[in-house]
Amino acid sequence: QSVLTQPPSASGTPGQRVTISCSASSSNIGGNTVSWYQQLPGTAPKLLIYSNNQRPSGVPDRFSGSRSGTSASLAISGLQSEDEADYYCAAWDDSLNGVIFGGGTKLTVL
Amino acid sequence: QVQLVQSGSELKKPGASVKVSCKASGYTFTTHSMTWVRQAPGQGLEWMGWINTNTGNPTYAQGFTGRFVFSLDTSVSTAYLQISSLKTEDTAVYFCARRYGGNSGPFDHWGQGALVTVSS
Repeated sequence: QSVLTQPPSASGTPGQRVTISCSASSSNIGGNTVSWYQQLPGTAPKLLIYSNNQRPSGVPDRFSGSRSGTSASLAISGLQSEDEADYYCAAWDDSLNGVIFGGGTKLTVL
Repeated sequence: QVQLVQSGSELKKPGASVKVSCKASGYTFTTHSMTWVRQAPGQGLEWMGWINTNTGNPTYAQGFTGRFVFSLDTSVSTAYLQISSLKTEDTAVYFCARRYGGNSGPFDHWGQGALVTVSS
């Protein structure tokens, strides 16, 4: 059971805006930055957001991240069919002294 | 450009050992730690730990001590994951990923993954 809690699924239609939440405790998100990863079917994860809200070069600005207290969110605007993937949040946990991943959210584009 | 290329799929019997490689290119290997992440079939991502590529010092996550060993060959910019006394529950895809920065640093480049299947 992940210490970072994500909804197991999310969905939206093309063009819509969807958000995926990631909630935890003060020992991880509350005191450390959050990263988000996108994993397309059958491929390796890809860094989408780091330091809560920073996008690596090449990641479209349709993807945005935010953090508030012990929760973080990933927002995808202008949803596209190619956004259908699994999304994971991750953060350092001071109590576990390690990195923890959320359980993942499967995004379906209807 | 940064690339991490992992070794191929492995089929092993319970009790055997396996060694997965991760060859880096496109950057100075010793400037970024290498992380290992496990993904069991149909499951999420699980951080296994990392190895400091400058000092060779490994850090193992809870649940990955004893049978799991991280190592390096800096002469060929390659990190290794060795798993001994394999169990069927070790069946998974194992990813290497470059850590950018400190403990909170993201994993900015990933290998393609190596499937290890443990079956009698």
